[in-house]
Amino acid sequence: EAQLVESGGGLIRPGGSLRLSCEASGFTFSNYAMTWVRQAPGKGLEWVASIRGSGSETFNADSVRGRFSISRDNSMNTLFLQMNSLTVEDTALYYCARGAGNFVFRGFDPWGQGTLVTVSS
Amino acid sequence: QSALTQPASVSGSPGQSITISCTGTSSDVGGYDYVSWYQQHPGEAPKLMIYDVSNRPSGVSNRFSGSKYGNTASLKISGLQAEDEADYYCSSYTTSRTLVFGGGTKLAVL
Repeated sequence: EAQLVESGGGLIRPGGSLRLSCEASGFTFSNYAMTWVRQAPGKGLEWVASIRGSGSETFNADSVRGRFSISRDNSMNTLFLQMNSLTVEDTALYYCARGAGNFVFRGFDPWGQGTLVTVSS
Repeated sequence: QSALTQPASVSGSPGQSITISCTGTSSDVGGYDYVSWYQQHPGEAPKLMIYDVSNRPSGVSNRFSGSKYGNTASLKISGLQAEDEADYYCSSYTTSRTLVFGGGTKLAVL
């Protein structure tokens, strides 16, 4: 059974940096595109970034472009999200999710349970 | 990229059918068959219910069905059950090579 476990969240000051991780198990990690989606408290889902299975191509939302960077280490079955220049608007529960094979945007399944990032002074 | 438009809430009685709409533009919903629907219960991670407009992942009840006409996609839930009460989100690929979600719809089973 495919499983995803996020980590790395926490309380961070505005302007700070944080690196999230998502450890995958139960499937051949390199065969699948991966994605980060966030959800601010009491709000809806917001797509953040995606990456192909090989890591050869990445896609980013306008709201995080230039500040966040998605990457992966297929030897460690781990997805990363490097977040720089954080603002209070980045406060959210961050989920990682698996794509449908190497098709980046054809639906995400499964999802992890999320890691909470709180940006506050 | 603006969020796709969903009704804030819908409701129905057990056994009834409901439909949730998801309206975008020709740059997203209308331009591609990459529309997905997710169910999210309180305190839980989202769950994929429909992908590629109308396909159900293995294990998802056939009471859930998806369709699209023009710039509007729809999720239909037949034979409503209490466990269907949740938030539902649509998403679509866009011409900007990004993904956009809808604002979400809260389904109440009365």
